[in-house]
Amino acid sequence: GNSVTQMEGPVTLSEEAFLTINCTYTATGYPSLFWYVQYPGEGLQLLLKATKADDKGSNKGFEATYRKETTSFHLEKGSVQVSDSAVYFCALSDNTGGFKTIFGAGTRLFVKA
Amino acid sequence: DTGVSQDPRHKITKRGQNVTFRCDPISEHNRLYWYRQTLGQGPEFLTYFQNEAQLEKSRLLSDRFSAERPKGSFSTLEIQRTEQGDSAMYLCASQGTWGGQQETQYFGPGTRLLVL
Repeated sequence: GNSVTQMEGPVTLSEEAFLTINCTYTATGYPSLFWYVQYPGEGLQLLLKATKADDKGSNKGFEATYRKETTSFHLEKGSVQVSDSAVYFCALSDNTGGFKTIFGAGTRLFVKA
Repeated sequence: DTGVSQDPRHKITKRGQNVTFRCDPISEHNRLYWYRQTLGQGPEFLTYFQNEAQLEKSRLLSDRFSAERPKGSFSTLEIQRTEQGDSAMYLCASQGTWGGQQETQYFGPGTRLLVL
């Protein structure tokens, strides 16, 4: 079945460091791919998405490119801030029928000042 | 657009009691989803509705769980005879099925359940 695997955390970085959170997926067909973010004490928020191969999603300085050949959707940001500290979830949407979302386990990011 | 709302935000109950959660989706969204999230894990799909029809249920949804969406608007998720293993965050999401909104699900803040 469809699944998402993302790098285990926590990831601890200093402010202004470069961020990469790896995500790979297994899916039949052509899923849409997402990154969601969950800030402390808050609900899930959509960070960015890509709906087809080679699409790049971007938002708030974060970006990720849908790579079908490597089945990956790695999240990157050139310079993290303390306010980026959160849990990041990679996810895919099963586009056959119900569009239910399948999530990875999440990666917690701590950014130190 | 007021977003997806869930009620209550927190629920503490004793083992064996029944609990019911409510989700109000974004108006005009015809799809509604329930997920469960346990500590340190990503959300797991439970069930979804298209309008008032419940179209898919996960194997995670045991016989003690029932969900309804009687008029195709709000939804309720009931857990009967709660067990400690039911302790989790229960998330609701809604989705439109036209244009660019087709793939994006909008999540509510969740209901955190603790079963003692």
